[in-house]
Amino acid sequence: KQEVTQIPAALSVPEGENLVLNCSFTDSAIYNLQWFRQDPGKGLTSLLLIQSSQREQTSGRLNASLDKSSGRSTLYIAASQPGDSATYLCAVRTISNFGNEKLTFGTGTRLTIIP
Amino acid sequence: DTEVTQTPKHLVMGMTNKKSLKCEQHMGHRAMYWYKQKAKKPPELMFVYSYEKLSINESVPSRFSPECPNSSLLNLHLHALQPEDSALYLCASSQDGSLQETQYFGPGTRLLVL
Repeated sequence: KQEVTQIPAALSVPEGENLVLNCSFTDSAIYNLQWFRQDPGKGLTSLLLIQSSQREQTSGRLNASLDKSSGRSTLYIAASQPGDSATYLCAVRTISNFGNEKLTFGTGTRLTIIP
Repeated sequence: DTEVTQTPKHLVMGMTNKKSLKCEQHMGHRAMYWYKQKAKKPPELMFVYSYEKLSINESVPSRFSPECPNSSLLNLHLHALQPEDSALYLCASSQDGSLQETQYFGPGTRLLVL
């Protein structure tokens, strides 16, 4: 069974600092990995999608990397801003034992940027 | 329009009530999903519809009944729920459910069962 873990569970950093969020998964047979942000009580906003054949994706101040063989992904946020405060979730796309595709989410990292 | 909308935003219901959650997208997506998210937990997949047909049911109790009346709409009918069903219910859609795609999420319906 695929398990996705994110460490740390919570992180607080001063505004302007660069930071890295970590995601690890137990089964490397993934099709892609997606990073989302979720504001309190809200839905999910897709940030970056990395296909299994890719090593990284960039969007603005965000850079996500994928090392499929070691079961790891990182989300790098440059020059953090208070508006970046949210919970960040990674999710891996896999095929279940019954042949269905599914998205399995990590436990999330709650990020607080201190002004 | 890259938006998935969900109504209502909040819902309080008793264990004997019948209610429905609604989800709508106008992106031409042919795959739609229901997820359940408990507080401080990640979302968990409940159902997947592909081309208006139910393709995945993740062993969800029958008190939850999904319906896809057309390619833009997805409903979740609720009946005889339990207090432990209280959660944020998220709807999502993607182009056609292929493995390479991004899923777009709605804002969710926060459900409280008394």
